[in-house]
Amino acid sequence: GAGVSQSPSNKVTEKGKDVELRCDPISGHTALYWYRQRLGQGLEFLIYFQGNSAPDKSGLPSDRFSAERTGESVSTLTIQRTQQEDSAVYLCASSASTAAGANVLTFGAGSRLTVL
Amino acid sequence: EDKVVQSPLSLVVHEGDTVTLNCSYEVTNFRSLLWYKQEKKAPTFLFMLTSSGIEKKSGRLSSILDKKELFSILNITATQTGDSAVYLCAVHSGSARQLTFGSGTQLTVLP
Repeated sequence: GAGVSQSPSNKVTEKGKDVELRCDPISGHTALYWYRQRLGQGLEFLIYFQGNSAPDKSGLPSDRFSAERTGESVSTLTIQRTQQEDSAVYLCASSASTAAGANVLTFGAGSRLTVL
Repeated sequence: EDKVVQSPLSLVVHEGDTVTLNCSYEVTNFRSLLWYKQEKKAPTFLFMLTSSGIEKKSGRLSSILDKKELFSILNITATQTGDSAVYLCAVHSGSARQLTFGSGTQLTVLP
C-alpha cells in the first residue's frame, strides 16, 4: 500500500484480556519494526523483523508480548493478560532494504491501547 | 547501551522566532542520525545525517551533525504555528538493527 497501515486505531480493553494489533507495511519494505510510546515519552523499541531472518526481540518487555510476521507482509503484535502499564500508543514502521533507504523508517498512525 | 538525549524537553516560542533543538548521543559504531516530526501519532521523516559538517536543508528547517562532539542540531527559522510538534532524534548504530530514539522536544509556537 501507499503507507503503513495499523489497526485498530484505538483499543480499550479490560485488565487481563489479550489484544492483537495489526500492521500492514509498505509493499516491498523488507524491514518492519514495532515501537511503544507511553504518554509524553519517546519511542521504545520492541521488535524488528528483516526478511526471513530471525527477528530481534530484544526490546520485548515481558513474555506477555509476542509478534509474528508472515513473510514480508503483515505483522501482528499480541499482548496477553494486559496490564494497565501496557497502555500506550503502539507504532509500527517499515523500511526498504537498500543501503540508502535502509535507515529511514516510515511510521504508521499507531494503535492507541487503553487498559482499564 | 546506546543512548540519545534531546534538549530542551519543551520549548514555547512565538511565531517568527528561530529555534534550535539539540540531540546528543553515545552509541557504538555510529551509522546515521535521523530527525522526525511527530504532530499527532505518526512521526514523519525530516532528515538523515551521516557525515559531519554537511548541512541538510528543507525550507525553513535545517540540520547538521558533529560526529566528533557527538551531537546534532535542528534549526527552524521564522517559526509558524504549524511547526508545533514533538521533534524526535534517533540514531542508528552498527551494534543494533533498530533506531534508538531520544525522548523528544515538545515545541509550541504561539500566534
